Amino acid sequence: GAGVSQTPSNKVTEKGKYVELRCDPISGHTALYWYRQSLGQGPEFLIYFQGTGAADDSGLPNDRFFAVRPEGSVSTLKIQRTERGDSAVYLCASSRPGADTQYFGPGTRLTVL
Amino acid sequence: LAKTTQPISMDSYEGQEVNITCSHNNIATNDYITWYQQFPSQGPRFIIQGYKTKVTNEVASLFIPADRKSSTLSLPRVSLSDTAVYYCLVGDNYGQNFVFGPGTRLSVLP
Repeated sequence: GAGVSQTPSNKVTEKGKYVELRCDPISGHTALYWYRQSLGQGPEFLIYFQGTGAADDSGLPNDRFFAVRPEGSVSTLKIQRTERGDSAVYLCASSRPGADTQYFGPGTRLTVL
Repeated sequence: LAKTTQPISMDSYEGQEVNITCSHNNIATNDYITWYQQFPSQGPRFIIQGYKTKVTNEVASLFIPADRKSSTLSLPRVSLSDTAVYYCLVGDNYGQNFVFGPGTRLSVLP
């Protein structure tokens, strides 16, 4: 079956602009996670959804970052007033109900000029 | 949060067995130990998970001593394609309890 997909694969934007990153989880996976990964580092947790609600958003760095999952499937990570420090690979993962293995997408490489 | 410590890098040769040890002294009763593999420009990929003793699948084995304060990922007969970063994670797999460290960069040489 299809894995987790993320679009776009690459996004280049200018400082101060707004961006949206999309994640399509594996069908039937109720849990969805967003991570951010900088070069040479492990993924850093941002937010976790169980269904439509954000069960844990403690990893979001500030109020410029926001994520939604209105129908419990596709999720969008939104970044306002982008800064150069936001440049990173943004990873999405999903997992089955009650399961613990996370399946990751290929990520979106965001570059803020 | 249970933190993990693993070597930053390791080198091996094709055909050898590779063992990567992870320390997690503050592991909680409900925590599982999970290992992921990541190739450049890809998301991490699940390798194996365990709670105690030994777990084996078609890719690797995971050895966990009785005190669970460490674990060892064993990759039998590595090939060049096993060159990747390997992450050890400890947690109950939800939310912020799922914490990645810097991982171990394994280089397999011909």
